[in-house]
Amino acid sequence: DAMVIQNPRYQVTQFGKPVTLSCSQTLNHNVMYWYQQKSSQAPKLLFHYYDKDFNNEADTPDNFQSRRPNTSFCFLDIRSPGLGDAAMYLCATSIPRASGKLDTQYFGPGTRLTVL
Amino acid sequence: KQEVTQIPAALSVPEGENLVLNCSFTDSAIYNLQWFRQDPGKGLTSLLLIQSSQREQTSGRLNASLDKSSGRSTLYIAASQPGDSATYLCAVKPSNTGKLIFGQGTTLQVKP
Repeated sequence: DAMVIQNPRYQVTQFGKPVTLSCSQTLNHNVMYWYQQKSSQAPKLLFHYYDKDFNNEADTPDNFQSRRPNTSFCFLDIRSPGLGDAAMYLCATSIPRASGKLDTQYFGPGTRLTVL
Repeated sequence: KQEVTQIPAALSVPEGENLVLNCSFTDSAIYNLQWFRQDPGKGLTSLLLIQSSQREQTSGRLNASLDKSSGRSTLYIAASQPGDSATYLCAVKPSNTGKLIFGQGTTLQVKP
């Protein structure tokens, strides 16, 4: 049973051509995260949503934007992809700490972005 | 600033061997520590989560320990199998933030 779904799994775009990556979840979790993982590197948090509250990491480039129209869906928009943006993009969800439940993050399979 | 380090970066062992993966972190003010598995080209699968008040967690052949005061965690894999071959990532959640700070991972190869 897929819990965190990412589409597409592989995305090819051209330098400078806007691209949108999609994440959906069936867990009804309040928090959704977007991570960027370059080859052989650790995942790096770009931003996260706590419900509708958007939290941007200080070092996330302006080129990266996100939208969360409802609890289930979250989108990552790259306005003008550069060659350096080629990476695996991982979406994750979790329940807030205040819920008293385990704060495990559940990850999707990722979208591998290639920039030509 | 919290930093997470995993040593070694790569490890190759024969099938059946018990092994230990190491993770160290610089700031002991953590909320929890999580171990993940990542297969090539895939997302992350959570293996074990240790709360800051806990010393260890076990799941099947896996045992993770946490020593907050020394900034160390280990992931012990018993009787390794070729199917255990993957990259293992350690991540800490600092006390004052909701984000995970990841190490760069240890790539494990278990040879038949």
